[in-house]
Amino acid sequence: EDQVTQSPEALRLQEGESSSLNCSYTVSGLRGLFWYRQDPGKGPEFLFTLYSAGEEKEKERLKATLTKKESFLHITAPKPEDSATYLCAVQAAGNTGKLIFGQGTTLQVKP
Amino acid sequence: SQTIHQWPATLVQPVGSPLSLECTVEGTSNPNLYWYRQAAGRGLQLLFYSVGIGQISSEVPQNLSASRPQDRQFILSSKKLLLSDSGFYLCAWSKGRQDSPLHFGNGTRLTVT
Repeated sequence: EDQVTQSPEALRLQEGESSSLNCSYTVSGLRGLFWYRQDPGKGPEFLFTLYSAGEEKEKERLKATLTKKESFLHITAPKPEDSATYLCAVQAAGNTGKLIFGQGTTLQVKP
Repeated sequence: SQTIHQWPATLVQPVGSPLSLECTVEGTSNPNLYWYRQAAGRGLQLLFYSVGIGQISSEVPQNLSASRPQDRQFILSSKKLLLSDSGFYLCAWSKGRQDSPLHFGNGTRLTVT
């Protein structure tokens, strides 16, 4: 069964304290792994797509990496505005647009 | 650029009442369209997806239905709401390519009382 598990469920950081979020997945034929950011009461906002092991993508203070079993979202020197829930999702081969989402990691960055 | 509109933003409905949530996409043609539900403390669950007008696939058996009367319009409906239908409903679109990311609207918070 295709499955996505994110850890930790919640993470509190001080401003400037770098850390990583984990997304472990089991999927039959990975077509893509997606990271989203979700603010309270809003829809998820697309951040990155990763397609193959070894691939990395960066956007401002965020960097996503991918292995054959997991993905990491590294947050370097976070700011309070980075506080949000980060969602990971995978798409299996043959499943157009049908993403399987993890439960998310809620990040709080304190000034 | 493409935009997705979803309304209403919040809705409070009594048990047994009907439901109609609407979603429209601008700036693209022939998108794939999706309805997801996000329950508190749970991940996003795919309810319906559509690859074209009149083409609807259901992922989860329930008392909800979806329709796509126009290329860029997607509607989620129910004839009689249940308490368990409460949740955060999200519409999304993607390009037709298999590995295209989904782009979400801002959701409708539905509370069934």
